[in-house]
Amino acid sequence: QSALTQPASVSGSPGQSITISCTGTSSDVGNYNLVSWYQQYPGKAPELVIYEVNKRPSGISNRFSGSKSGNTASLTISGLQGEDEADYYCCSFAGGGISWVFGGGTKLTVL
Amino acid sequence: EVQLVESGGGLVQPGGSLRLSCSMTGLSLRGCHMNWVRQAPGRGLEWVSYIGSGGNIYYADSVNGRFTISRDNDKNSLYLQMNTLRADDTAVYYCVRDQDYAFQSWGQGTLVAVSS
Repeated sequence: QSALTQPASVSGSPGQSITISCTGTSSDVGNYNLVSWYQQYPGKAPELVIYEVNKRPSGISNRFSGSKSGNTASLTISGLQGEDEADYYCCSFAGGGISWVFGGGTKLTVL
Repeated sequence: EVQLVESGGGLVQPGGSLRLSCSMTGLSLRGCHMNWVRQAPGRGLEWVSYIGSGGNIYYADSVNGRFTISRDNDKNSLYLQMNTLRADDTAVYYCVRDQDYAFQSWGQGTLVAVSS
């Protein structure tokens, strides 16, 4: 399985909205509504922020939202805050029994 | 609150072996689907292996035949036996509980360094 494709970096000013794309194939993102997104601060473990394309775990701000169209999933963060500056990874179930594929990660900078 | 604590990482020579352990508290391991996910230094995340609550097991192609995942529900512990280690296995290894096909709970990770 090849990694999902994410932009290496995105940036935005406080209060703005940004969107991170995640492009896969018809074997993963396009075939399952099982895309998840993770936020990771330097030196820390990742944290789940979106699952099943657009669901938020308990405790995650409603500023985080997810969507999918065809083979591309997206994470949108609205009302950017300084604390949102982190790395973000998408992940998709990839079938073949049980397997997952991650994106390469996107570094979000809040200007 | 679910807590996962990994141990067993360290420095090992190429071709060597290492066994990682993960202890879960706050929840019974018995009904959980568990995974190992790794992250090479400065790189992205990579799924390594899965063991379901019923015992079914899957591996990434990159480790298939070299790594073995196992669980001991009575000890609330997950394991990863890693053999024939290579330099590109160098990474932080995370123990992860999945639910709803997403990685819900993560440990703090344990570093495995493969070098001569």
